[in-house]
Amino acid sequence: NAGVTQTPKFQVLKTGQSMTLQCAQDMNHEYMSWYRQDPGMGLRLIHYSVGAGITDQGEVPNGYNVSRSTTEDFPLRLLSAAPSQTSVYFCASSRRAPYGYTFGSGTRLTVV
Amino acid sequence: AQKVTQAQTEISVVEKEDVTLDCVYETRDTTYYLFWYKQPPSGELVFLIRRNSFDEQNEISGRYSWNFQKSTSSFNFTITASQVVDSAVYFCALESYNTDKLIFGTGTRLQVFP
Repeated sequence: NAGVTQTPKFQVLKTGQSMTLQCAQDMNHEYMSWYRQDPGMGLRLIHYSVGAGITDQGEVPNGYNVSRSTTEDFPLRLLSAAPSQTSVYFCASSRRAPYGYTFGSGTRLTVV
Repeated sequence: AQKVTQAQTEISVVEKEDVTLDCVYETRDTTYYLFWYKQPPSGELVFLIRRNSFDEQNEISGRYSWNFQKSTSSFNFTITASQVVDSAVYFCALESYNTDKLIFGTGTRLQVFP
């Protein structure tokens, strides 16, 4: 049972490049979310999904796109990377509330 | 709107001291869930506890205890007889049944010195 798998673990992008952060879970969880973690800011919600085909914006959605075509996968797309998107990104999944979220190990992204 | 406030940015204690991490939340919903997560230096996020808005019973698990008070919108976390391995960043989080969003506080960094 792998839980929540994020790839890649590390990535360096140039300003203006695009990329997709992958997230997959094998627990048949309905809920999936993307967070970014910055020093002193805690974890901020980027986008979330309550099921396949359903996504919604979180606190800091600008510059990011998501889609949820299957229950298992929830990729996060950076359309045109900016240095302000340098952060650690976490993907998480959960059954419907009130169960706690399971987090992936994170992706450390640097935009130069 | 939902909000979680962890006013303590960093706490330093010496081993065996007791320490309390504060968490204050805001929500208009009557059904909601509160969580605590631990992030050790290795970086992963570890779920510690969940409490729903209808259950104000305090909980104790080993050296950890949690005090939930709806009257003050607080969900505080106490570590008794702290150990070096408790050194981590601790996050309080809130999920409303209606919004399905899990919102985190900014975290409290706990350093336990030997």
